[in-house]
Amino acid sequence: GDSVTQTEGLVTLTEGLPVMLNCTYQTIYSNPFLFWYVQHLNESPRLLLKSFTDNKRTEHQGFHATLHKSSSSFHLQKSSAQLSDSALYYCALTGGYKVVFGSGTRLLVSP
Amino acid sequence: DAGVTQTPRHEVAEKGQTIILKCEPVSGHNDLFWYRQTKIQGLELLSYFRSKSLMEDGGAFKDRFKAEMLNSSFSTLKIQPTEPKDSAVYLCASSPGTGDQAPLFGEGTRLSVL
Repeated sequence: GDSVTQTEGLVTLTEGLPVMLNCTYQTIYSNPFLFWYVQHLNESPRLLLKSFTDNKRTEHQGFHATLHKSSSSFHLQKSSAQLSDSALYYCALTGGYKVVFGSGTRLLVSP
Repeated sequence: DAGVTQTPRHEVAEKGQTIILKCEPVSGHNDLFWYRQTKIQGLELLSYFRSKSLMEDGGAFKDRFKAEMLNSSFSTLKIQPTEPKDSAVYLCASSPGTGDQAPLFGEGTRLSVL
């Protein structure tokens, strides 16, 4: 079945440094949708980014990601981390059936 | 815009009780998901409905967890009997089921089992 792998359980950064959270996936579908969700403390996950198009950069709220079907990757990046970026980030995938979530990466940004 | 509504927001139960959590999906959405979220396990899929039909029922949760969707605008998750290890946040999400299929989450129900 479909699967999403987020290799880092915890990423700690100093404010101002670049952010990169890894996401790779496996699916039988040739045209999957990929998503990034962000979950702040005591809130529910909310959609941050989504993509369907191969090799096209998608951006929102300072974050960006590019779907690369050749490497089955959809890494989340930001040029400069802010304290308010501290949260839990989930990568997710759907090929037209259910949505599959990765295990999540907790990002902690310190001053 | 109306989002996904979950009630109650908080629930405290004694071990062995039966509890029912409720979810109203976004109007017009065809897919509905129930997840359990804990710090250790992350998001675990409990049930998945498409057009009110149960498509998946999380294997590890079948014995005491039962989700139902009697109509397109309402779903319940029953836990019977509750155990302390069921203490978690239960999230309901819905999505269109076609095209852009990003699920929209409700605010969740925080369950504490004593």
